[in-house]
Order: sequence, then structure tokens, then C-alpha cells
Amino acid sequence: GAVVSQHPSWVICKSGTSVKIECRSLDFQATTMFWYRQFPKQSLMLMATSNEGSKATYEQGVEKDKFLINHASLTLSTLTVTSAHPEDSSFYICSASAPGAGTLSYNEQFFGPGTRLTVL
Amino acid sequence: AQSVSQHNHHVILSEAASLELGCNYSYGGTVNLFWYVQYPGQHLQLLLKYFSGDPLVKGIKGFEAEFIKSKFSFNLRKPSVQWSDTAEYFCAVKGGGADGLTFGKGTHLIIQP
Repeated sequence: GAVVSQHPSWVICKSGTSVKIECRSLDFQATTMFWYRQFPKQSLMLMATSNEGSKATYEQGVEKDKFLINHASLTLSTLTVTSAHPEDSSFYICSASAPGAGTLSYNEQFFGPGTRLTVL
Repeated sequence: AQSVSQHNHHVILSEAASLELGCNYSYGGTVNLFWYVQYPGQHLQLLLKYFSGDPLVKGIKGFEAEFIKSKFSFNLRKPSVQWSDTAEYFCAVKGGGADGLTFGKGTHLIIQP
């Protein structure tokens, strides 16, 4: 149980185009979803937190107009990288949590497999 | 804001050796501490976590970690590693009411058969 999927697993796009990445909780309803970004050989950096039906909360330094997050349902959150540039190339990972999800009593985060974005 | 420091970026061990990966965090309030593992080509998986109570926590696959509040540390240990433990290990902290996790840079562990 508590599986999170991401689609696509990798994407290559031209500079200036927009790319949408989906994050789905497959067997539980995720009240909160998180988006992280990981540069090569670096740590995961939290970009934003989204609660279903609410606007996302972005971390300092993350441009909300560039990284559009939608959490329209309890099983789906999307991250759209608008007007992508080569410096946006990275590994984007989502996680999802909900009260009682998984075997632990707290809001454990379950991670998706990540999406590799390459902007040419 | 909290931060997490993992001391070793790369560790190479032989099978059956003992393992200890260091993790220090900086945050003055109550924290929740985690160790995640990422096997090659796979998702991040939770190894173990500390919220409160016994500072020595046991996780999956024979791993354990000890929370030492005075040292702001949460080191990961395993008495005898296996080749299948080759993976990337991340220490993470959650605190200050924030829901998201702050991760360390990770330790790449290679176990030689």
C-alpha cells in the first residue's frame, strides 16, 4: 500500500516550452503533497507544499509563477514548469501524505520515483 | 530554519563490516528525524524514524539509529552490512511545524562483495 506514481519518468523539452509533471497517490487519498527538486549529487530541496483544494505554499526562492502547482483532487497533484530553461533541468520528486496512510501513526510521506527533466 | 549535515558523501565497505553514517541537524526545537534509503533506480524508502521516546530506534533491514539530543545527532548504524545495502542514504528532519522535510546531501554507500 501507499504507492505514489509520477508521470512522465523522464521528459526532454525545448527551451521556452512548458512541461507538466503528474504525481498520483494510487491507493490512498493524499491530503498533502510535496514537490522536491534534486540536482546531481545534491540533496532533495523542498520546493512547495500543497494541500488539496488550497493554493500551494512555496519555499523561499522558488518562483510560484514559474513552477505552477495544482492539487485539484486527493489523488493528483501536478507541477507545471512554465517557459522552461536549461537551468530548470533537474530531477523532480513528489511525495504524498495523509493521516493514517501507511503503517505508521503519523503523516508519513511516500515518495514517487521522480521525473528527470532535461531542457535543451 | 533547520539544516542537516551528513558527514560522509561516499563510503565503501566490505561485506560483514559494521556501518555508521553520521547525521547532524541544526534546529533548536522539537524535531522529527528520519533516514531514507534509495536503491539504484528505485523510490526513496523510509528506513526508520524518531519522534519521541526511546532514542534508539530500529528500522527495517537491520538498521538502527540513535538520537543524541545533546549532540544534535542521529547516526545510522548496521552491525553487518550486505552487498544489497549498496544505495544512497539520506538523513532528514522535520520540525518547526513545517510539513516538508529537510534532507541532508546523502551518503553513497558501496558494499564490496
